[in-house]
Amino acid sequence: DTEVTQTPKHLVMGMTNKKSLKCEQHMGHRAMYWYKQKAKKPPELMFVYSYEKLSINESVPSRFSPECPNSSLLNLHLHALQPEDSALYLCASSQDGTPSSYNEQFFGPGTRLTVL
Amino acid sequence: SQKIEQNSEALNIQEGKTATLTCNYTNYSPAYLQWYRQDPGRGPVFLLLIRENEKEKRKERLKVTFDTTLKQSLFHITASQPADSATYLCALDLDTGRRALTFGSGTRLQVQP
Repeated sequence: DTEVTQTPKHLVMGMTNKKSLKCEQHMGHRAMYWYKQKAKKPPELMFVYSYEKLSINESVPSRFSPECPNSSLLNLHLHALQPEDSALYLCASSQDGTPSSYNEQFFGPGTRLTVL
Repeated sequence: SQKIEQNSEALNIQEGKTATLTCNYTNYSPAYLQWYRQDPGRGPVFLLLIRENEKEKRKERLKVTFDTTLKQSLFHITASQPADSATYLCALDLDTGRRALTFGSGTRLQVQP
């Protein structure tokens, strides 16, 4: 299995809702990532997990809360989002979780989020 | 501050020609540079990685060069096909210890039949 899966594909939520995005990989990768991508812009890093521990938080607002229950799963919990948070949310993984290594990242198809 | 620039937002070429995309970076000396392809509504797909001590890397019709003096990478697609139409992103790890990629703004390539 050489893919990263994300659910749901699409999500529409109100500003008072609580929802979660899910990401899964079974490649044995030890680093997992969340990116946010707005239309016609490059992916922007949000969080990095290395060996199930949060290693990078790119000053993301607390209304986004990541969680890594085990080495195969990554969640992004959403609460009290704003319309400007509407974007494609991408999950990625890479094999080596050790610092100072180069890494090819495998991306999932993304979740298209719309906040009303 | 660190900056990654891709030369043009869009590039149109005829089928069979070579497409050349440029990625320039400033204020940093990365150990490696990556190129990804992204189709609309999909996640990026890794294409090639080149290290700082490699001048050139090839994979089928793809070729990447890396000039650390010019702080530039060139990405070539030879014998281009309409199926090559996509957005191509270069990416650097701006801090090797962080393992975090920063992406360039991308070049949207359109290959006309």
